[in-house]
Amino acid sequence: RKEVEQDPGPFNVPEGATVAFNCTYSNSASQSFFWYRQDCRKEPKLLMSVYSSGNEDGRFTAQLNRASQYISLLIRDSKLSDSATYLCVVNRAGNTGKLIFGQGTTLQVKP
Amino acid sequence: EAGVVQSPRYKIIEKKQPVAFWCNPISGHNTLYWYLQNLGQGPELLIRYENEEAVDDSQLPKDRFSAERLKGVDSTLKIQPAELGDSAVYLCASRQEGNTGELFFGEGSRLTVL
Repeated sequence: RKEVEQDPGPFNVPEGATVAFNCTYSNSASQSFFWYRQDCRKEPKLLMSVYSSGNEDGRFTAQLNRASQYISLLIRDSKLSDSATYLCVVNRAGNTGKLIFGQGTTLQVKP
Repeated sequence: EAGVVQSPRYKIIEKKQPVAFWCNPISGHNTLYWYLQNLGQGPELLIRYENEEAVDDSQLPKDRFSAERLKGVDSTLKIQPAELGDSAVYLCASRQEGNTGELFFGEGSRLTVL
């Protein structure tokens, strides 16, 4: 079993739709969590951190459930430009620089 | 400010040949990572440096892969000999001390082994 697991999709949604991605992690002592975005044939870039109380950045909302070891990303009012792969990332406990990436979930927003 | 620079962007070699990738991180970033990314997969860590010290190389296939970061700045990743299964994108990333979550990636080096 992989340490960070995501549904690879693809998720095909129309513009304006709300879409949610889920991620689970196996190391219960993991300390910090992030969502990265990767456009086709480009490098990954940080989208947002995930805080215990949940956090929002415009149309994007990230939530963390430590008890269930579950992270989510919600995108409201999807835009064509949101089409990309979204990578769930976990910073392993006791080793602050070791970031473990999930396999990514692909989103395709259609007109 | 210049980002993470990698070269070459593309490399095509025959199996059993050697190959080397170079990375220059963002100035002042003391942590440097090499990741491998296969198509449809997330990046997988190969090695992590804190300055010139390799602090995590547990997933580096040491029989054929080697890396160095001699002066704690730029780094080289080498494969010798390359195998067909090594075809992938090799990503270099750097991180500023104290910032645990944000990695800055280079554009990657895409390797094709024939």
